[in-house]
Amino acid sequence: GAVVSQHPSWVICKSGTSVKIECRSLDFQATTMFWYRQFPKQSLMLMATSNEGSKATYEQGVEKDKFLINHASLTLSTLTVTSAHPEDSSFYICSAKTGVNEKLFFGSGTQLSVL
Amino acid sequence: SQQGEEDPQALSIQEGENATMNCSYKTSINNLQWYRQNSGRGLVHLILIRSNEREKHSGRLRVTLDTSKKSSSLLITASRAADTASYFCATDLTGANSKLTFGKGITLSVRP
Repeated sequence: GAVVSQHPSWVICKSGTSVKIECRSLDFQATTMFWYRQFPKQSLMLMATSNEGSKATYEQGVEKDKFLINHASLTLSTLTVTSAHPEDSSFYICSAKTGVNEKLFFGSGTQLSVL
Repeated sequence: SQQGEEDPQALSIQEGENATMNCSYKTSINNLQWYRQNSGRGLVHLILIRSNEREKHSGRLRVTLDTSKKSSSLLITASRAADTASYFCATDLTGANSKLTFGKGITLSVRP
């Protein structure tokens, strides 16, 4: 099956620093990638949808200047949490889909802890 | 509120028993999908059922869809301890290239 690699698996950073999370589709071309945030024992909250070569579409309430998304190629999307604060601590997950396949392929997630 | 809402929120069963999880949604859908998540990991796609289908099987999984009631159920037969995970239903409103809306999830614990 299709594989999505997400790095890093976990990151601890100081408040005010920026953190970049990478999401790569290893064996397929991802026309669309999604970024989610998940709190403990909660559902996935969609943050944004990114299509290769175009600007990401952010969900209501998600600050686009704080959560920068770049989808520069059909196999790579990045999420940068800028000037991170403790309230940004969460589990971030990416997913990818091809043009005609309706199911999503998920990365393994990144646990971000901001001190 | 969520498009998809599962119940129960938590389920604990003995190994070998069947586990039934339900999902209700509010608007018309193109398809409904079930995913599994192990603690601290990403989600894994289990099964997809389209709006014109009523039942699908995949191994020990059986999913049903009742569009008149806007509900779906996931049945795991002969459960195993390894089935312990969170299970999410997700609704797809328009099909390819659209986003999925996830429910809150059901925590399944299978006791050995």
